[in-house]
Amino acid sequence: AAGVIQSPRHLIKEKRETATLKCYPIPRHDTVYWYQQGPGQDPQFLISFYEKMQSDKGSIPDRFSAQQFSDYHSELNMSSLELGDSALYFCASSLGLLSRKETQYFGPGTRLLVL
Amino acid sequence: EDQVTQSPEALRLQEGESSSLNCSYTVSGLRGLFWYRQDPGKGPEFLFTLYSAGEEKEKERLKATLTKKESFLHITAPKPEDSATYLCAVHSGYSTLTFGKGTMLLVSP
Repeated sequence: AAGVIQSPRHLIKEKRETATLKCYPIPRHDTVYWYQQGPGQDPQFLISFYEKMQSDKGSIPDRFSAQQFSDYHSELNMSSLELGDSALYFCASSLGLLSRKETQYFGPGTRLLVL
Repeated sequence: EDQVTQSPEALRLQEGESSSLNCSYTVSGLRGLFWYRQDPGKGPEFLFTLYSAGEEKEKERLKATLTKKESFLHITAPKPEDSATYLCAVHSGYSTLTFGKGTMLLVSP
């Protein structure tokens, strides 16, 4: 079965640079979620989109922005990168919002290293 | 604020030695409790969703149960390939999950 696709899988950036992470949800899934997982930490929710509109917002820094496009893929844009942004960034997708008892399926993640 | 506490933080078992992982939660209106398995450097893999106290679900050697305050993930006769971090998450808000810090399970042959 098709899964969530994330690209790139690995990314190395320098401080103050920008990065763009991409997420392609499972086919027919209309909801996308972004999570950040630091070393040895649990995933922390950043932001979510349902039908191309922002549906919920978590602990996403102002330096980050995201959007969902007409084909339901999503991009997380990260500017003025800091060392502390080094983490695994996961995208998850679901068919409809969790409030409808749907399950979030996670992608393999993008490992971002800021030097 | 929703809180999820998993115990133990780490667990080492011999192959075939059954045990249970605990997930205690404090939420304002539980809509669902999720169990995921995560291998190092990979995304969480969905295992179970439980919605109401008394509910149980099984998959191969795993069985998840739910009460009003906690959930257990029972592992029967584990194999080395069951080694992973097991994450518990609760859904109480609009669309987000709150995760626990996970239990790192190591099953030795």
